[in-house]
Amino acid sequence: EDQVTQSPEALRLQEGESSSLNCSYTVSGLRGLFWYRQDPGKGPEFLFTLYSAGEEKEKERLKATLTKKESFLHITAPKPEDSATYLCAVQARRRGKLQFGAGTQVVVTP
Amino acid sequence: GAGVSQTPSNKVTEKGKYVELRCDPISGHTALYWYRQSLGQGPEFLIYFQGTGAADDSGLPNDRFFAVRPEGSVSTLKIQRTERGDSAMYLCASSSIGTSGASETQYFGPGTRLLVL
Repeated sequence: EDQVTQSPEALRLQEGESSSLNCSYTVSGLRGLFWYRQDPGKGPEFLFTLYSAGEEKEKERLKATLTKKESFLHITAPKPEDSATYLCAVQARRRGKLQFGAGTQVVVTP
Repeated sequence: GAGVSQTPSNKVTEKGKYVELRCDPISGHTALYWYRQSLGQGPEFLIYFQGTGAADDSGLPNDRFFAVRPEGSVSTLKIQRTERGDSAMYLCASSSIGTSGASETQYFGPGTRLLVL
């Protein structure tokens, strides 16, 4: 059974205080690991896809990395607009569905 | 271009009633997915369509839940005899299919918030 565990559950940061979110996973044959951002009451917004260990992707203040057992989402010098819940999901080979973690709620205060 | 759209955005119903939730995918996306999200949790898979057929319906919780996609575009999720435990955000996503036959990135709609009283 595919499993995704995200930590911490919640993170409170001062503006400019860099930090990392963790996503640990077990999956029978990884096709891709996905990061989404979700604002309250909205649908998830796609951020990154990582396909193989060692791969890294960057977008503005966000950088995602992948190993064989976990992925990290690094937030560098966050701003209040980075406040959101960040969701990690895995997709196994030959399956369409995504298996999500419970998310990390990030609050960035000015 | 236009993203995934879902209607209604909110639905309030009474226990025992029937509801239909609609999803309009991104134009050209052949794969469509339904997920359900409870407060404080990640989305939970319900069903996946490739074209008109359900490729994987293993996430449907029981036979009160049913989904169709008759023309390979718009999909409707149908819930019979609703229960209070069905209250959640229902999310739809769509994706293209790559040359290898694998699903590409899934793009989500804004969701339908269902409340069963």
